[in-house]
Amino acid sequence: SQELEQSPQSLIVQEGKNLTINCTSSKTLYGLYWYKQKYGEGLIFLMMLQKGGEEKSHEKITAKLDEKKQQSSLHITASQPSHAGIYLCGAPAFFGNEKLTFGTGTRLTIIP
Amino acid sequence: DGGITQSPKYLFRKEGQNVTLSCEQNLNHDAMYWYRQDPGQGLRLIYYSQIVNDFQKGDIAEGYSVSREKKESFPLTVTSAQKNPTAFYLCASSIRTSGSGSDNEQFFGPGTRLTVL
Repeated sequence: SQELEQSPQSLIVQEGKNLTINCTSSKTLYGLYWYKQKYGEGLIFLMMLQKGGEEKSHEKITAKLDEKKQQSSLHITASQPSHAGIYLCGAPAFFGNEKLTFGTGTRLTIIP
Repeated sequence: DGGITQSPKYLFRKEGQNVTLSCEQNLNHDAMYWYRQDPGQGLRLIYYSQIVNDFQKGDIAEGYSVSREKKESFPLTVTSAQKNPTAFYLCASSIRTSGSGSDNEQFFGPGTRLTVL
């Protein structure tokens, strides 16, 4: 079965600094979803990457997909307190599969 | 507004009791899912349903049961057979079913925190 490993598990960053979160799959990636979760709440969809080399941005968050490395990275520029939360990556087992396997999450704390 | 609702937000149960968690969506989505989230373990799939009156076990289905009598509703029952039911439960839905496309974003409800006393 597919496993997604996220690194780091937790991250404490000073406000205004940049940061990167990685998601590495044990198997071929057929797409990669990034979600954000506030503690005790549901997941909010950030973006989805489909093709190798694809890069998407939303406000100050950029995600990339490296199919060869079976890895995706999420980069936040000039972090703000609103970026704090848990970031989770999810991936389907095969193309078009509706079931997603999720990583264990990265807890991001922003220090003023 | 369209979305997914879960109720209640917090639920307390005595050992040996069954309890049902509600999940309703008005997004006209075909697929619905139940996940369990424990600290440090991410999300684990309990059950999922691709169509009304049909559902499949996920990775940790033991001690749980579901029904899908209506497209909009996918209730989860945590039975007394579930040995460690205290957790955060998340319901999700998606528009597409397997093989119909690659863009299959899941929309999540706000979650229900279940505590067994």
